[in-house]
Amino acid sequence: SAVISQKPSRDICQRGTSLTIQCQVDSQVTMMFWYRQQPGQSLTLIATANQGSEATYESGFVIDKFPISRPNLTFSTLTVSNMSPEDSSIYLCSAGQMNTEAFFGQGTRLTVV
Amino acid sequence: KQEVTQIPAALSVPEGENLVLNCSFTDSAIYNLQWFRQDPGKGLTSLLLIQSSQREQTSGRLNASLDKSSGRSTLYIAASQPGDSATYLCAVRSGGSNYKLTFGKGTLLTVNP
Repeated sequence: SAVISQKPSRDICQRGTSLTIQCQVDSQVTMMFWYRQQPGQSLTLIATANQGSEATYESGFVIDKFPISRPNLTFSTLTVSNMSPEDSSIYLCSAGQMNTEAFFGQGTRLTVV
Repeated sequence: KQEVTQIPAALSVPEGENLVLNCSFTDSAIYNLQWFRQDPGKGLTSLLLIQSSQREQTSGRLNASLDKSSGRSTLYIAASQPGDSATYLCAVRSGGSNYKLTFGKGTLLTVNP
């Protein structure tokens, strides 16, 4: 199993600012993903973080708003840019291999005021 | 496009009761299916992973089954306890370029003492 450390665990941010969320995995993994969970909703995939290349974004999510880095096989960051109250959500990092369990960090609860 | 549906959306049972949560998916071309538990405001805890070639998996009081051809999975919880109260999420991993997980909206389970 993999242990995923995500930080910060929560933050309150002013609109128009940006927040970078970090995700550290305790072992090398092929796949890392970023999800958003809006209040009362299930998880929606934002993007796949690809090591050494640009992230692959899902429909409705763009790099300018959610830039992602993945410098190696154990670490990734997600930035939420130019935040508005609509960005208030839980953001979750996930990691795993194709045929094994997916593991999740504890999430970052973001409130934009 | 893969869609995952979970029924019921909410379930309230007395302690000690056995219960079944249901999950259905539209595209049977999956690699695996995973059940998670989410406590309020927290990340996801993996419960069981079923590969596409498997019929069921068991862990303690939990048993998950998979009928890939009909696009259905069930999570059986035996002798429920108040500590089982949480949201249970079903997710399927499909093929494609990023092997992403698609989540259902979850079942909110309340076990009353």
